[in-house]
Amino acid sequence: AQSVTQLGSHVSVSEGALVLLRCNYSSSVPPYLFWYVQYPNQGLQLLLKYTSAATLVKGINGFEAEFKKSETSFHLTKPSAHMSDAAEYFCAVSTPGGATNKLIFGTGTLLAVQP
Amino acid sequence: EADIYQTPRYLVIGTGKKITLECSQTMGHDKMYWYQQDPGMELHLIHYSYGVNSTEKGDLSSESTVSRIRTEHFPLTLESARPSHTSQYLCASSATGQAIYEQYFGPGTRLTVT
Repeated sequence: AQSVTQLGSHVSVSEGALVLLRCNYSSSVPPYLFWYVQYPNQGLQLLLKYTSAATLVKGINGFEAEFKKSETSFHLTKPSAHMSDAAEYFCAVSTPGGATNKLIFGTGTLLAVQP
Repeated sequence: EADIYQTPRYLVIGTGKKITLECSQTMGHDKMYWYQQDPGMELHLIHYSYGVNSTEKGDLSSESTVSRIRTEHFPLTLESARPSHTSQYLCASSATGQAIYEQYFGPGTRLTVT
């Protein structure tokens, strides 16, 4: 069975500091991996996705993530945090070849950005 | 503009009432999903649909029901609302094809049952 673990339910950084949000996955087959962002009272917006092409994936708003098979990780980073990055971030996994495109989500990480 | 819509955005209703949460997409997607999200928690899939006249239960058991009579429309119904149904409900859709695993989400409906 697939699963996703997000370490740290709350992360606080200063504006301009590095953002690092951790995600580890469990999957019996090579997975597809996603990061979504959710702003207050809104739905989820796709930040980036890994679908077995390049292991370093660049997304919107300056975010990127690196797929590391040996560590079963897909951590999200941004070199310099902006106040507008404050939101909840969800990592998700899916199995290629599945008919339903079902996503399994982590519990989320709430990112706070301090001025 | 292609998008996915949910109405109402917020709903406060009394116990025992029947409610329908609307979800429509203009993206031409064949697959649609309903997720339930409690505050500070992950999303749980409660229903999904491959296409018209196709509906399946998700990973989290739910007393709600869904229907898919039109490709673009995927409403969720609770016959008798209870306080335990208080949650946020998110609708999503995805296409078959190149971006097969990418799901697009609506803004959600925040339901409160008093």
